[in-house]
Amino acid sequence: KAGVTQTPRYLIKTRGQQVTLSCSPISGHRSVSWYQQTPGQGLQFLFEYFSETQRNKGNFPGRFSGRQFSNSRSEMNVSTLELGDSALYLCASSLPQGNTEAFFGQGTRLTVV
Amino acid sequence: DQQVKQNSPSLSVQEGRISILNCDYTNSMFDYFLWYKKYPAEGPTFLISISSIKDKNEDGRFTVFLNKSAKHLSLHIVPSQPGDSAVYFCAARPSGTYKYIFGTGTRLKVLA
Repeated sequence: KAGVTQTPRYLIKTRGQQVTLSCSPISGHRSVSWYQQTPGQGLQFLFEYFSETQRNKGNFPGRFSGRQFSNSRSEMNVSTLELGDSALYLCASSLPQGNTEAFFGQGTRLTVV
Repeated sequence: DQQVKQNSPSLSVQEGRISILNCDYTNSMFDYFLWYKKYPAEGPTFLISISSIKDKNEDGRFTVFLNKSAKHLSLHIVPSQPGDSAVYFCAARPSGTYKYIFGTGTRLKVLA
């Protein structure tokens, strides 16, 4: 069974640009969540999607957005990149209900210069 | 406001001994708790979880304890092995949601 796949693995962007990250969940997992990891901050929750709808949202500015497609694949977009957006972006998928763990991809390392 | 706190950034333990990683939380609405292990350049890997209706859950060498009155969670690893060296994150889920609030992690080093 394939795991959570994130593309690309590494990305370098310039301040002011925008970026789109992609996530393919485990087959059968319809809930997809996104997290930002920065040194010393742990994993910060960005948002969670289920059935193409954003079900939960973290405390990030509107420059961070996402969407989910009918096949459960998800993308997140960051517009007007800032240096502070440099981080590891992690996608996780899970079954949509009950007490269930989230399975993480390897992440996309975004560097903003 | 850090709702889930791991106050020890690092921990060193001798191989074969017990590793105890701690986590404190402030939100009484959390109903599900998890521990993840993370190696560099990889995503977190799920270890073990516990529902708020329980106070202990065991899986092999890993045991998680939940003390709701103290809002405290701990992970015991017995016996510790060098391969356990990694960063460990605790996470908690607010009731009625599907988001997880993570602590800042504890780096465990198991010495051979």
